[in-house]
Amino acid sequence: GAVVSQHPSWVICKSGTSVKIECRSLDFQATTMFWYRQFPKQSLMLMATSNEGSKATYEQGVEKDKFLINHASLTLSTLTVTSAHPEDSSFYICSASGQGAQEQYFGPGTRLTVT
Amino acid sequence: DAKTTQPTSMDCAEGRAANLPCNHSTISGNEYVYWYRQIHSQGPQYIIHGLKNNETNEMASLIITEDRKSSTLILPHATLRDTAVYYCIVRVGPGSARQLTFGSGTQLTVLP
Repeated sequence: GAVVSQHPSWVICKSGTSVKIECRSLDFQATTMFWYRQFPKQSLMLMATSNEGSKATYEQGVEKDKFLINHASLTLSTLTVTSAHPEDSSFYICSASGQGAQEQYFGPGTRLTVT
Repeated sequence: DAKTTQPTSMDCAEGRAANLPCNHSTISGNEYVYWYRQIHSQGPQYIIHGLKNNETNEMASLIITEDRKSSTLILPHATLRDTAVYYCIVRVGPGSARQLTFGSGTQLTVLP
């Protein structure tokens, strides 16, 4: 199946700093990418949907000015957590879908810890 | 998207078949049944999907009842590496770039 990578796989940052997470589709063109967040012992929650070249659509309750999403190319989307706080510590997972795709492919996730 | 109901947890002996049930009584005619799994601290992995016919691939089989109100994912010979949370998701099918809505899933533990 198609491969989606994320970088970094884990990151520790200090409160107030910003962190950028990259999501890449390695062997297909991702017209749509999704960003999910997962807290310990909970299920995945969708944060936002991004289409290449368009502004992301955020789910209710997700601050668009805090979680900046850029999908500038068909193989790369980035999520920047701005002014991170300890409550933003979570497992962030992206998924990608190609034009007319049968299914979504998920990245391995990024563990963010804000101290 | 239709809501799904799955047991919270199940155990299965290594080498035996694991049968994971899912209820989706409000499924619409154009909605597919998808199965994903998530091994601890990893991203979800696609397993299989179907509309109304039974489906089989190298990972699993999907059995959908005739009325489409429930389905069963079958792992024919479970191994320890199949221990994961399994999610049954119902949504409009291929070609639709819509998000997946994850429920609580079933924690499958394969026992040695």
